[in-house]
Amino acid sequence: QQQVKQSPQSLIVQKGGISIINCAYENTAFDYFPWYQQFPGKGPALLIAIRPDVSEKKEGRFTISFNKSAKQFSLHIMDSQPGDSATYFCAASRGGGATNKLIFGTGTLLAVQP
Amino acid sequence: ETGVTQTPRHLVMGMTNKKSLKCEQHLGHNAMYWYKQSAKKPLELMFVYNFKEQTENNSVPSRFSPECPNSSHLFLHLHTLQPEDSALYLCASSQEHSNQPQHFGDGTRLSIL
Repeated sequence: QQQVKQSPQSLIVQKGGISIINCAYENTAFDYFPWYQQFPGKGPALLIAIRPDVSEKKEGRFTISFNKSAKQFSLHIMDSQPGDSATYFCAASRGGGATNKLIFGTGTLLAVQP
Repeated sequence: ETGVTQTPRHLVMGMTNKKSLKCEQHLGHNAMYWYKQSAKKPLELMFVYNFKEQTENNSVPSRFSPECPNSSHLFLHLHTLQPEDSALYLCASSQEHSNQPQHFGDGTRLSIL
């Protein structure tokens, strides 16, 4: 019940295309869903996050879509660029405590071809 | 310096050695975390400290010993490690309230011979 399942494991997209990464969770107590971006040799960096009271959040070319009934959320990268090539991790956590106990997905390696 | 800084960036050690990983955050946060990142596996939370007190130990073997002397510094003491402990060890920090963004360092790449 603590798992977050992420797919696909890898993704190749042409420049200008849309990249879509999906995640699913089981624990209905989760109430915070961030996405992290990680470049080689670097730590993960927070990209965008959503809470279950909204169905979509957009920041620039990055959009999270959230389906509470299906217990799924996805990251859409519009107009994908070669600079977006990185590993993307979804995560989930449950509030109510003093700290975040983030449960991460296994990651998606995105390659945007020029 | 800004953000979360981890040293060393790379570490090679034998199974009988003792070494320590260091993490320092310059963000004014009060919660700090150790994660283990292995290939093809989710990031694994190891330890959580909140205001210097350990609040989470995710069933980590005793050969890993954390230390948090203050809210800005976090150490991971290593001894008698196994080859399967080879991984990227990431430190993160956040504000102490729940669901605040975690900021990660660039990690220490650890190789056990």
